[in-house]
Parts: sequence; structure tokens; C-alpha cells
Amino acid sequence: SQTIHQWPATLVQPVGSPLSLECTVEGTSNPNLYWYRQAAGRGLQLLFYSVGIGQISSEVPQNLSASRPQDRQFILSSKKLLLSDSGFYLCAWSGTGLTGELFFGEGSRLTVL
Amino acid sequence: KQEVTQIPAALSVPEGENLVLNCSFTDSAIYNLQWFRQDPGKGLTSLLLIQSSQREQTSGRLNASLDKSSGRSTLYIAASQPGDSATYLCAVRPRAGNMLTFGGGTRLMVKP
Repeated sequence: SQTIHQWPATLVQPVGSPLSLECTVEGTSNPNLYWYRQAAGRGLQLLFYSVGIGQISSEVPQNLSASRPQDRQFILSSKKLLLSDSGFYLCAWSGTGLTGELFFGEGSRLTVL
Repeated sequence: KQEVTQIPAALSVPEGENLVLNCSFTDSAIYNLQWFRQDPGKGLTSLLLIQSSQREQTSGRLNASLDKSSGRSTLYIAASQPGDSATYLCAVRPRAGNMLTFGGGTRLMVKP
């Protein structure tokens, strides 16, 4: 069966520090991968998605970037965090089959101080 | 641009009640609609997926219906239990593209 792992689960970082959140998927190949952010009192915001290695689409211009160095690995990064980057970050994957069902990881809580 | 609305935003019911959560969307050109559950501080768990050609899906005490022409979906929870307390979100996938549009969610509390 397919599983998705996301880490770290919790992160407290000072303003201006770098960020790296990692997500890996097991049990499938060539998944579509997504990074979402869920800020307090706001809905889910799609940040990046990827349909293949090295292929990244950005939905919202911002202080963050994403990379997909391997088929089942998706990384969210920042060179210098802002206070506004605080939030709950969720990685998700969907298959390339007909159903298009989306599956989420457990999330990473980022607090920027 | 697709917009997804969930009403009510919050709901509190006594244990044992049957309840209905609503999801409406503005563009009927969807590929599928998915219902999720989110517990506090956790990721989203997929509950039910309805393809655009389907009218409903069932899983245990959950039943989701889809009326694409009117832009509506409902999630029916039978015999609610305190363990059903969570936020429920619906999301629609367009016919073209990979981006889901999420509703704001309904926060459900089932009181024992």
C-alpha cells in the first residue's frame, strides 16, 4: 500500500533562517506531488505541485521554493524565513490513474519567531 | 474561477444524531469531488471520492452524494459518535489540470 511521510512534524525557526521540509511517498511511482499551506483561520492554499522529477509549478509567488530531486521526494525550502511563513504545511500526492484521489501527509507545523 | 463553499462552518450535535454537511461549487465542469476529515493538528484523511459520473459513494456510516448540475454535494453521517468530531472538508478537481479547490470546512463537534 502507499504511504506518505513528512518531516519534521514541528519546527520553530527564527526570522531570516533557512527552511527545509521533506516529503517522501512509498508504494507508488511517478506520483503527482503537492505542497499546501494551511494558515490559522484560512483555507488550504496550494503552494507548489510537481508532475515529475525537476518539474515544479508555483501557484503563489512567495518566499518559498520547492524541488523534486527524486521521483518520490518533494522538498519545500526557503533561504530566509519571514514571520508570515508560519503555518501548517501539508504534502500530498495523487496517482496518475483515473481516480485522481488525493492523499495527505501528517503535516509540519512551522512557527517563525 | 471555481469557488467551493461549505455550510455550516461549525456544527454541534448530540451523539446519535444523523447529520448532513453541505458543499457547493460554482463550476460544474469537475472531474471528481473528494471529502476529507481533519483532526486538530493533523493532516487530511480521505473519506470518500465521487467521480463526476457518479451520484453517491458510501463507506460505513458515511454517504456522500453529488449533484453536478446544481453544484452540490452532501456528506451524510449516520448515528454520529464523539469520535466523529473533526473538521470536514470537500474539494473539487477540475476536468483539466491537477489543482483541487477546497472549501473552508465544517467543524463538527459531537457531544456525548
